[in-house]
Amino acid sequence: LQLQESGPGLVKPSETLSLTCTVSGGSISVSSDCWGWIRQPPGKGLEWIGIIYYSGTTYYNSSLKSRVTMSVDTSKNQFSLHLNSVTAADRAVYYCARHPVGAWGPGGGDYWGQGIQVTVSS
Amino acid sequence: SYVLTQPPSVSVAPGQTATITCGGTNIGIISVHWYQQRPGQAPVLVVFDDIDRPSGIPERFSGSNSGNTATLTINRVEAGDEADYYCQVWDSRSDHPHVVFGGGTKLTVL
Repeated sequence: LQLQESGPGLVKPSETLSLTCTVSGGSISVSSDCWGWIRQPPGKGLEWIGIIYYSGTTYYNSSLKSRVTMSVDTSKNQFSLHLNSVTAADRAVYYCARHPVGAWGPGGGDYWGQGIQVTVSS
Repeated sequence: SYVLTQPPSVSVAPGQTATITCGGTNIGIISVHWYQQRPGQAPVLVVFDDIDRPSGIPERFSGSNSGNTATLTINRVEAGDEADYYCQVWDSRSDHPHVVFGGGTKLTVL
């Protein structure tokens, strides 16, 4: 299984950041998996953004919830992240990951994309 | 919101044992996952569900979880183990289930 993030590396302040994660080597339409976005600001730790199931069920970080939308396109085996009203604080490396679903919910992310650097600047 | 507390740094000599803790209220009753992140690379899952190792992860990596502390243990530490390590849980107990990451621990091999 491979995951690959894509999207613009530069976004203007107040605009919307849109990223896509393409899954290859397996299907995104598996009920035993869910798909997540995680980001890492420069020199800082990992910050969870959200998770989506192929059914469309989503869970978001409460601190970002008002600005985040995630979606799934099963026909393209992709899932996407949209983060609106970006500021300099949204500058980070953005990762997508697969989380197998366990008895209590999403488990550890066992496959990750290589990450995409996103800068916010006019 | 649930908080996971990790020591910012741990140092160990090659061949010794490194212990990295992850503290959280009653963390022992939920599954904990551990990641290794080398500089400039994506995180790699090294332990999941408290004690299990993904395929390809050396047996030197092990985990435990009880009470208010989860622990990642790395036996016979090697230079290549130098990295940042993060613990992670799924907090399903709140009104808004969510993933929580610890702040990360930088492992230095002396």
